[in-house]
Amino acid sequence: DAKTTQPPSMDCAEGRAANLPCNHSTISGNEYVYWYRQIHSQGPQYIIHGLKNNETNEMASLIITEDRKSSTLILPHATLRDTAVYYCIVRVGSKNSGYALNFGKGTSLLVTP
Amino acid sequence: EPEVTQTPSHQVTQMGQEVILRCVPISNHLYFYWYRQILGQKVEFLVSFYNNEISEKSEIFDDQFSVERPDGSNFTLKIRSTKLEDSAMYFCASSEARGNKNTEAFFGQGTRLTVV
Repeated sequence: DAKTTQPPSMDCAEGRAANLPCNHSTISGNEYVYWYRQIHSQGPQYIIHGLKNNETNEMASLIITEDRKSSTLILPHATLRDTAVYYCIVRVGSKNSGYALNFGKGTSLLVTP
Repeated sequence: EPEVTQTPSHQVTQMGQEVILRCVPISNHLYFYWYRQILGQKVEFLVSFYNNEISEKSEIFDDQFSVERPDGSNFTLKIRSTKLEDSAMYFCASSEARGNKNTEAFFGQGTRLTVV
């Protein structure tokens, strides 16, 4: 699976958009970009994933560049409860493979009042 | 909303003892996983399980570890002869398959294992 690079930490004011970048310059054509977060040692929580197109759900938006070498997770109106470590993970989506998510160090997002 | 449940939430065991960590995956899911997180470190993949057999495992998952789906609902991780360095949070996860694609994994809240 392709490696990812994320900033170790970011701050965001409550109510503002949090934009979390991720570089995955070695991504291959069949690899998806997944985002998870972990709130204070709880179980990781799935946020969103995408292949080529931008995606949006009730939690966040995922913007993937046209060359797919980087992406941005957007939390449109960050709240204090969004303070967590955010993981960008790239992997193949295949039924016959396991689901060995490679959690790196992620980005520690601090949302401040 | 369906969720992955893990028991117990905290397990303390003496070094050398065997422990079994239990998980109830989401009912229509077909893929099951165990991960662990040593305090202050990253989440590490241990093993994935599909169709009643291990489909993938990491270097961490050696002969000390085993997994089992003893009935239609439970998924267990057994650690034989525990060592101090096995102290960690252990997360179970499950995912379903839609068409020919694996999907996102849902994680339980974890079992904190403390080996003394």
